[in-house]
Amino acid sequence: EPEVTQTPSHQVTQMGQEVILRCVPISNHLYFYWYRQILGQKVEFLVSFYNNEISEKSEIFDDQFSVERPDGSNFTLKIRSTKLEDSAMYFCASSEALASTDTQYFGPGTRLTVL
Amino acid sequence: DAKTTQPPSMDCAEGRAANLPCNHSTISGNEYVYWYRQIHSQGPQYIIHGLKNNETNEMASLIITEDRKSSTLILPHATLRDTAVYYCIVCSSNDYKLSFGAGTTVTVRA
Repeated sequence: EPEVTQTPSHQVTQMGQEVILRCVPISNHLYFYWYRQILGQKVEFLVSFYNNEISEKSEIFDDQFSVERPDGSNFTLKIRSTKLEDSAMYFCASSEALASTDTQYFGPGTRLTVL
Repeated sequence: DAKTTQPPSMDCAEGRAANLPCNHSTISGNEYVYWYRQIHSQGPQYIIHGLKNNETNEMASLIITEDRKSSTLILPHATLRDTAVYYCIVCSSNDYKLSFGAGTTVTVRA
């Protein structure tokens, strides 16, 4: 069964450093998403991406964040200058169509620890 | 602005059916009801979704009331591996995102 994969599974970085989290969505999917979950809190939407542009973003997704689909398979989330409060699980998801009409499939997540 | 209300926790005996309620009294006509679960800190896992008809798949059944203001997720024979946080999410046809609440923490006991 096809699945969303994410690398690395755990990333440790120093405050102020740039990190890139990588995702390989399911191959025939057209919509891509990033969510995050701070330890003990809810899963929060960050951004959705379709047709090589951002469809929607949350207030969390400020200028420090960017997304890219550099090739036909990868989807990345970059945090330009990490802060302590960026420590969280980051989940990538993909779907064939919009959220309401098609299922979003989530990856296993990347645990980001900012020291 | 929470669109759904779920009990914070519930216990269930292994092998028995688990009935998870969700209230979505302000749901509108173009909004679907989705159920996901999250086992420990893994990525959310899709379970089932529906608009107004009851739905069943290999994992669960979804019963939506006629007025669509509430629904129940049924896990027919709960196993220890079904211990997870279960999220009921209302999602409209224009939504690009899923809005997760706190969900119901389901503990299946042997």
